[in-house]
Amino acid sequence: DAGVTQSPTHLIKTRGQQVTLRCSPKSGHDTVSWYQQALGQGPQFIFQYYEEEERQRGNFPDRFSGHQFPNYSSELNVNALLLGDSALYLCASSFRTGSEQYFGPGTRLTVT
Amino acid sequence: DQQVKQNSPSLSVQEGRISILNCDYTNSMFDYFLWYKKYPAEGPTFLISISSIKDKNEDGRFTVFLNKSAKHLSLHIVPSQPGDSAVYFCAADGAATDSWGKLQFGAGTQVVVTP
Repeated sequence: DAGVTQSPTHLIKTRGQQVTLRCSPKSGHDTVSWYQQALGQGPQFIFQYYEEEERQRGNFPDRFSGHQFPNYSSELNVNALLLGDSALYLCASSFRTGSEQYFGPGTRLTVT
Repeated sequence: DQQVKQNSPSLSVQEGRISILNCDYTNSMFDYFLWYKKYPAEGPTFLISISSIKDKNEDGRFTVFLNKSAKHLSLHIVPSQPGDSAVYFCAADGAATDSWGKLQFGAGTQVVVTP
């Protein structure tokens, strides 16, 4: 049973560029949440997708957007990258919008 | 606005002894609390959780205690093993109606278990 998978593992982008990160949820899960983890901090909630709609959103600007597909996989898009967007981006899946979320290994984004 | 706080960035404990990790929160609306463990280059792994209607939950070597009046929870690991060396995150949920799944995390505590 595959857990949560994310791609790519690492990514280097230049300031001002756009990036797309991908996530496949754990089998049987229908909800995907995205988190940003800066160095030395805990994960910060970006948004959550359920039934292909954004259900909840954290304190992140509109440059951060997402999408959920019919197969429950999800994408996180970040436009106009800033140096401060450099972080580990974690995807988590759950059944419905429950609390017990299972995390993927993350995508390490570096903005230069 | 950091609503979940882990004030000890690190903890060193001898193998076989008890590890006690602490977490404080400020939002009395939180209804569910979770502990995650994270190894380098991996995502956080769910360890144990507790609902606000309980004050203790136990799972093998891991026990979580919740003191609602003090807005404090703790994770006890007994006995500590070398494989427990990791970063431990406290998380809280349910801060508002219809906001389940919007986990708020503390900054983490690095645990090192020494032989």
